[in-house]
Amino acid sequence: DQQVKQNSPSLSVQEGRISILNCDYTNSMFDYFLWYKKYPAEGPTFLISISSIKDKNEDGRFTVFLNKSAKHLSLHIVPSQPGDSAVYFCAASPWGNMLTFGGGTRLMVKP
Amino acid sequence: DGGITQSPKYLFRKEGQNVTLSCEQNLNHDAMYWYRQDPGQGLRLIYYSQIVNDFQKGDIAEGYSVSREKKESFPLTVTSAQKNPTAFYLCASSITESGGAPDTQYFGPGTRLTVL
Repeated sequence: DQQVKQNSPSLSVQEGRISILNCDYTNSMFDYFLWYKKYPAEGPTFLISISSIKDKNEDGRFTVFLNKSAKHLSLHIVPSQPGDSAVYFCAASPWGNMLTFGGGTRLMVKP
Repeated sequence: DGGITQSPKYLFRKEGQNVTLSCEQNLNHDAMYWYRQDPGQGLRLIYYSQIVNDFQKGDIAEGYSVSREKKESFPLTVTSAQKNPTAFYLCASSITESGGAPDTQYFGPGTRLTVL
């Protein structure tokens, strides 16, 4: 049973528009959430994180929103750029360093 | 340059053979991890180690073995007991399992293992 789900395997967005990537989780013990970005044949790189005491965290073009009651988080990228095209993984942790990853969403930003 | 290296990038193995994947880090991180990536399944934890000479099984440890004799190194052996070893293997490290908020995990470039 997947505890972290990314239900959209792919997303296509026009350059300059907003990209919204979604992630749902089932484990109520998860208290810390992260987004990783991955290019083909490379390791994931950390993008942004949020703890359960917040509902929003912003870093430049990237904003993560957390809705604990719905067990849902989302990553917003505004404005989207072609270089953002990659696979995005959300990950969750019940505190400590053990992460559970979602299946990933492939984002394609068209020029 | 500080970072994590994995070698080789591509690895081919005949069915029934054991193979060892290398992971080295010079970030002075205490914790190291091995993940496996399969299409549509994200990253699944195979083994992790919080300190030298200690390691723990992750979610899918069957058919794999590890060692942590040095802080910098965490090799993964894929044994012949692993029924479906063809996958992309990722090694990661982080400062420590502090018991608090997760420290950022830094990933290596990965090794793609193909069983012929």
